[in-house]
Amino acid sequence: KQEVTQIPAALSVPEGENLVLNCSFTDSAIYNLQWFRQDPGKGLTSLLLIQSSQREQTSGRLNASLDKSSGRSTLYIAASQPGDSATYLCAVTGANNLFFGTGTRLTVIP
Amino acid sequence: DGGITQSPKYLFRKEGQNVTLSCEQNLNHDAMYWYRQDPGQGLRLIYYSQIVNDFQKGDIAEGYSVSREKKESFPLTVTSAQKNPTAFYLCATARGKTYEQYFGPGTRLTVT
Repeated sequence: KQEVTQIPAALSVPEGENLVLNCSFTDSAIYNLQWFRQDPGKGLTSLLLIQSSQREQTSGRLNASLDKSSGRSTLYIAASQPGDSATYLCAVTGANNLFFGTGTRLTVIP
Repeated sequence: DGGITQSPKYLFRKEGQNVTLSCEQNLNHDAMYWYRQDPGQGLRLIYYSQIVNDFQKGDIAEGYSVSREKKESFPLTVTSAQKNPTAFYLCATARGKTYEQYFGPGTRLTVT
């Protein structure tokens, strides 16, 4: 069964710093990988979707990469802002299911 | 959470009662999903539906039931057979299985 791991579980950085969040998965037979943002008590907001044939996707200050062979994805956030504080979740789509990591809780300190 | 509505936002029930959570979408997406989120755990799939009048069990379907009579609606019933129903429930939709998933705002269910 697919297992998705996100390290670290929590991260605090000063405002303006660039940072990388990590996601690893055990089964490389995936359709795509999504990165989500979740604010406390809220639903998930989709940030980026990378299809299995792609290597990376970019949206504004966010860049996500995918290395299917090694089972890894990274989410790069440039010039972090206090408004980026949230929990970031990655999820991989398998044959019939979306498998989620437990997330990285990011705090950006003003 | 744009075109996906979940109601109510908070729900309180006594143990032994069945309760139905609503999920409605106006995105014209074929696929709909129900997830459960517990502290310290990733989201877990309860049920999903790829087309109207058809649905499949996810990883933790025991104690739950669903219906998909309309494309726009995918209600989830939490039955009294669910041993630990208190959780945050999230509904999601997608154009299809391999497409981007969009999430509703969630319903927090508390059973005492």
